[in-house]
Amino acid sequence: GENVEQHPSTLSVQEGDSAVIKCTYSDSASNYFPWYKQELGKGPQLIIDIRSNVGEKKDQRIAVTLNKTAKHFSLHITETQPEDSAVYFCAASLNKFYFGSGTKLNVKP
Amino acid sequence: DTAVSQTPKYLVTQMGNDKSIKCEQNLGHDTMYWYKQDSKKFLKIMFSYNNKELIINETVPNRFSPKSPDKAHLNLHINSLELGDSAVYFCASSLRTDTQYFGPGTRLTVL
Repeated sequence: GENVEQHPSTLSVQEGDSAVIKCTYSDSASNYFPWYKQELGKGPQLIIDIRSNVGEKKDQRIAVTLNKTAKHFSLHITETQPEDSAVYFCAASLNKFYFGSGTKLNVKP
Repeated sequence: DTAVSQTPKYLVTQMGNDKSIKCEQNLGHDTMYWYKQDSKKFLKIMFSYNNKELIINETVPNRFSPKSPDKAHLNLHINSLELGDSAVYFCASSLRTDTQYFGPGTRLTVL
């Protein structure tokens, strides 16, 4: 089955800096890659996603890149704000979601 | 309007008891899921139902029994609760295997 690895497990940045979270996957057939943000005491919320026919997608301060050859995808957050502090999960999917282990992002004011 | 809702939000119970968690979605989705999130935040899929039929059943003790009375509901019943069942349980829904939308979670504490 699919195996998704996510790094780093924790990330601390200064407000205004950029943050990058990376994921790798093993099954080249996976074709959908969502990113979720989980705030304390809440359920994971979709923040951005990308499909295998696209290399990059951007939504305001958030962007995702996909390298199908290398089987890795990344989340980029620019101009980080304290409210970006949360746990972020990547996932790879064909007919089933396989989640990464999560990255706890701390944005220091 | 809440898209995916779960009740209760908190559940504290004694070992050996039987408890249920309810989930409802109003998104018109045909697929629903149960996930378990442990203390290390890892999300592990337990079950998936499509149009009321079980399609994913991971290695979960048979003390856990999902029930889907209709496409909008997926309940989770747990028999003979154990300490190791303490976790946060999330319900999610999707249209076929597309984007999953999660509920707010139920924190289960077994004493």
